[in-house]
Amino acid sequence: QLQLQESGPGLVKPSETLSLTCSVSGGSISSASYYWGWIRQPPGKALEWIGTIYHSGATYYNPSLNSRVTLSIDTSRNQFSLKLSSVTAADTAVYYCARLGGGHSYFQLWGQGTLVTVSS
Amino acid sequence: TVMTQSPATLSVSPGERATLTCRASQSVTSNLAWYQQRPGQAPRLLIFGVSLRATGIPARFSGSGSGTEFTLTISSLQSEDFAIYYCQQYNSWPRTFGQGTKVEIK
Repeated sequence: QLQLQESGPGLVKPSETLSLTCSVSGGSISSASYYWGWIRQPPGKALEWIGTIYHSGATYYNPSLNSRVTLSIDTSRNQFSLKLSSVTAADTAVYYCARLGGGHSYFQLWGQGTLVTVSS
Repeated sequence: TVMTQSPATLSVSPGERATLTCRASQSVTSNLAWYQQRPGQAPRLLIFGVSLRATGIPARFSGSGSGTEFTLTISSLQSEDFAIYYCQQYNSWPRTFGQGTKVEIK
């Protein structure tokens, strides 16, 4: 059964870069059938889509995050990653990685999430 | 596309029916999904394509609607159904979620 697991620092300083990795087990990230994505949820707030990536490296980003977001994929390690630059307290959230359903659509399977706090 | 859910909170007794609404600021055709999020857990996909249940989702969950107005119905609430429910459109970029409806015990 496919599983996703987020990892990375739980505390990031303002103005620095947040870096998270999603490790996929029980299936190949290179599957032509699926896209992979990141979603975040500030404490007590709603979900926000961050971006989506395909195994080819094609990416789709939320314009609200401007040019601060970069997604990458490492098929040899069965992982994909998120980098968010110039973070502020507003970027404090639980970050989830997910596998999308058919095409780049809905979020079919989710990781458990990891809380990242931006604070000095 | 802005997704607006109502009500913000729904108080329902176990065994009763719950009806949640999601409205889109423009048509999303049939590209609409629903998720359930229990406290301290990741969201779980319930419904995609407006009315298609995801794998393992009980038949008491059903979705309907088209265009800009959608409904999630839970026919007979069980204790494990008290949670927050989010709708999401995947018809246009950026993908957007509603603000959520909390279903609480009455």
